[in-house]
Amino acid sequence: KAGVTQTPRYLIKTRGQQVTLSCSPISGHRSVSWYQQTPGQGLQFLFEYFSETQRNKGNFPGRFSGRQFSNSRSEMNVSTLELGDSALYLCASSFVQGNSPLHFGNGTRLTVT
Amino acid sequence: DQQVKQNSPSLSVQEGRISILNCDYTNSMFDYFLWYKKYPAEGPTFLISISSIKDKNEDGRFTVFLNKSAKHLSLHIVPSQPGDSAVYFCAARGALDMRFGAGTRLTVKP
Repeated sequence: KAGVTQTPRYLIKTRGQQVTLSCSPISGHRSVSWYQQTPGQGLQFLFEYFSETQRNKGNFPGRFSGRQFSNSRSEMNVSTLELGDSALYLCASSFVQGNSPLHFGNGTRLTVT
Repeated sequence: DQQVKQNSPSLSVQEGRISILNCDYTNSMFDYFLWYKKYPAEGPTFLISISSIKDKNEDGRFTVFLNKSAKHLSLHIVPSQPGDSAVYFCAARGALDMRFGAGTRLTVKP
């Protein structure tokens, strides 16, 4: 069974631009979550989608948005990029909500210059 | 808000000895706890979990202990191996989302 796939792996953008990251969950997984990892901050929760609906949202500005499609694939968008948005963005999927582990992709490394 | 804390950014142990990684949480609504391991340039990999109705869960060399009254979670690795060198994240799930600690970098020396 293929794991969680994130594209692209690396991305370099300049301040003010926007970016879209893509995530394909494990087949059969309907819940997709997004996290931001920066040095010393661990994994910060961005949002979670389940059956195309955003169920939860972390404490990030409105520049961060996402969506989920009917095939459970998800995209995350960041508009008006700032230098502080440079981070590793991780997508995770799980079979159902509740007590099941998240399975992570290898992430997209975003660098904003 | 740091609802899940890993107060030790790094830990170094000798091969064959026990590694103990600690995690504290503040939200009593958390009912499911997990440990993840992360190598550079890879996503976190699920290691082991424990439900709040248990106080111990064991899987091979890995054991997770949960002390609900102290809101404390620990991961024991016995015996430690050089391949265990990685960053370990503890995570806790409540009603809304899963929160992660900042991670502890474990180095196992041969």
